Amino acid sequence: DTAVSQTPKYLVTQMGNDKSIKCEQNLGHDTMYWYKQDSKKFLKIMFSYNNKELIINETVPNRFSPKSPDKAHLNLHINSLELGDSAVYFCASSQDPLDRGRYNSPLHFGNGTRLTVT
Amino acid sequence: DQQVKQNSPSLSVQEGRISILNCDYTNSMFDYFLWYKKYPAEGPTFLISISSIKDKNEDGRFTVFLNKSAKHLSLHIVPSQPGDSAVYFCAASGIGTASKLTFGTGTRLQVTL
Repeated sequence: DTAVSQTPKYLVTQMGNDKSIKCEQNLGHDTMYWYKQDSKKFLKIMFSYNNKELIINETVPNRFSPKSPDKAHLNLHINSLELGDSAVYFCASSQDPLDRGRYNSPLHFGNGTRLTVT
Repeated sequence: DQQVKQNSPSLSVQEGRISILNCDYTNSMFDYFLWYKKYPAEGPTFLISISSIKDKNEDGRFTVFLNKSAKHLSLHIVPSQPGDSAVYFCAASGIGTASKLTFGTGTRLQVTL
């Protein structure tokens, strides 16, 4: 009965490769997010989709491309991986974007994907 | 620019005592604050929140206090239990940025027997 699941849990790859991380939520939420936790433990938002529409796109290299085939899925594709992309990537979902009904709509996170680029 | 700061990277408390985790913020536009708890190899889980119209919110053993003038909030856990051992993240959102949560770097709480 996992609420937000992401795969794979660990991903080790070489520089220059292209990789994808998948995320699915079974909570019926309308909004999904990708967060990145870097080596300094900062959790920073990267993207947010509401009903398959991109609503947040932070200053992220365009090598990162999110794709939302439906509101229950938000995948992250990364092209030409670099050493600095090594981090833990968390998918999350909420019922509403945090600017509507947000007081009752905390984020639900997946367990993270640890990406290591060598 | 670190807008949400948790200056104590770690805290150790005895079981049964009070744990106090602190968080400071710099952005005066923040008006909604949350605490998340994270176990190793898991994602953060929502714990408790407070809006800027309140100065206290309580949920069982967890209470969050907000001091807007000092731009400071704290999480109190009473009594602390060994299962509370985790990393606690403070997060904030605000007018115009409400869809984005800004997180602190976390405080690792260890509750000892």
